[in-house]
Amino acid sequence: DVKVTQSSRYLVKRTGEKVFLECVQDMDHENMFWYRQDPGLGLRLIYFSYDVKMKEKGDIPEGYSVSREKKERFSLILESASTNQTSMYLCASSSGTSGSNEQFFGPGTRLTVL
Amino acid sequence: GQQLNQSPQSMFIQEGEDVSMNCTSSSIFNTWLWYKQEPGEGPVLLIALYKAGELTSNGRLTAQFGITRKDSFLNISASIPSDVGIYFCAGYQGAQKLVFGQGTRLTINP
Repeated sequence: DVKVTQSSRYLVKRTGEKVFLECVQDMDHENMFWYRQDPGLGLRLIYFSYDVKMKEKGDIPEGYSVSREKKERFSLILESASTNQTSMYLCASSSGTSGSNEQFFGPGTRLTVL
Repeated sequence: GQQLNQSPQSMFIQEGEDVSMNCTSSSIFNTWLWYKQEPGEGPVLLIALYKAGELTSNGRLTAQFGITRKDSFLNISASIPSDVGIYFCAGYQGAQKLVFGQGTRLTINP
């Protein structure tokens, strides 16, 4: 079974702090994704990566950056956390280059910024 | 970004009833995925559909890829309490970027 793990299930940070959210997948997937999920807004794509050291902006990249130094790990960085970044953050991965493969999600990190 | 139109937004049913939900779009999709999300957890993939007209089952779940490629439905037969959760449709139009519906929240009265 595909396993996508996220470093924290719950996180509380203060405004202005730098926040790192880590995601690891164990299925040698090429593609990794970061989403945020908010009530009434559904899942929105922040960034994704096709390969190591490659990244692409999603629909809402402002205020975020990412890092993919190893194939299995994709990190989401909030350079200076703000209260409007309080949300559920979901990491996902998928295989291949065809672009239409299933995405498998991690359990999510619920981030609260005070 | 574009979202799929998923309906109904919520359902309240009795245990044992069948459930039907659907997603529609004005655009063509080349893959449809159905996910279930339980409170505090990430979405779990239920069914993947790759061809127009495809009908796929996973236990009591059945999903179909619409022949026009602009819609998909998910049916759950003989619902049980553990079916409670939010069901999302998702689809690919082009490469890599998945578009999501806003979810159907299913509540079951025992």
